[in-house]
Amino acid sequence: NAGVMQNPRHLVRRRGQEARLRCSPMKGHSHVYWYRQLPEEGLKFMVYLQKENIIDESGMPKERFSAEFPKEGPSILRIQQVVRGDSAAYFCASSLQTGAISGNTIYFGEGSWLTVV
Amino acid sequence: SQELEQSPQSLIVQEGKNLTINCTSSKTLYGLYWYKQKYGEGLIFLMMLQKGGEEKSHEKITAKLDEKKQQSSLHITASQPSHAGIYLCGAFEDSNYQLIWGAGTKLIIKP
Repeated sequence: NAGVMQNPRHLVRRRGQEARLRCSPMKGHSHVYWYRQLPEEGLKFMVYLQKENIIDESGMPKERFSAEFPKEGPSILRIQQVVRGDSAAYFCASSLQTGAISGNTIYFGEGSWLTVV
Repeated sequence: SQELEQSPQSLIVQEGKNLTINCTSSKTLYGLYWYKQKYGEGLIFLMMLQKGGEEKSHEKITAKLDEKKQQSSLHITASQPSHAGIYLCGAFEDSNYQLIWGAGTKLIIKP
């Protein structure tokens, strides 16, 4: 059973370009989360999605950032017109259920490292 | 929302020695997760604690959640080089799907 798959692992973009990060959750998981880890900082929640629905995007910047989790295919985190401050590691996670339920393991992917030059 | 306080920030331990990492909140936590991260890599799930007073062990790592569910400790017995990395605690505080995080504890094992 493959884990959470993220790609690309590393991405370099020039200022003003678009970055698309993809995440395939673990098989059978319908809950997907995106977190951002800025250099020398902790992880911050960005968005929580279920199939075809954005449940909570309160952690996502209002402009330039969007996320989707279509019926078919991976979840996509899209950053338009990237700026240097977007350089970070973006982690996707998935779970079978949501919430603090006993045994509800949240699995993380290897991350996508975005560098904006 | 408030982040978790993790201590120490970094730790250098002689191989074979025991160590403890703490994770504290001023609020009640609903679901406390411990992960390990190697630099430049993803998060590896270690343990999840939910109930006050709960304790779980896996190999040489033991995690506990206090009765008030405001503090958790991670204890490693007889540390090995493979234990080196960054240990992160994450927890549900108010929301039931947004994890808040500690800043991490960087563990170095001296041979």
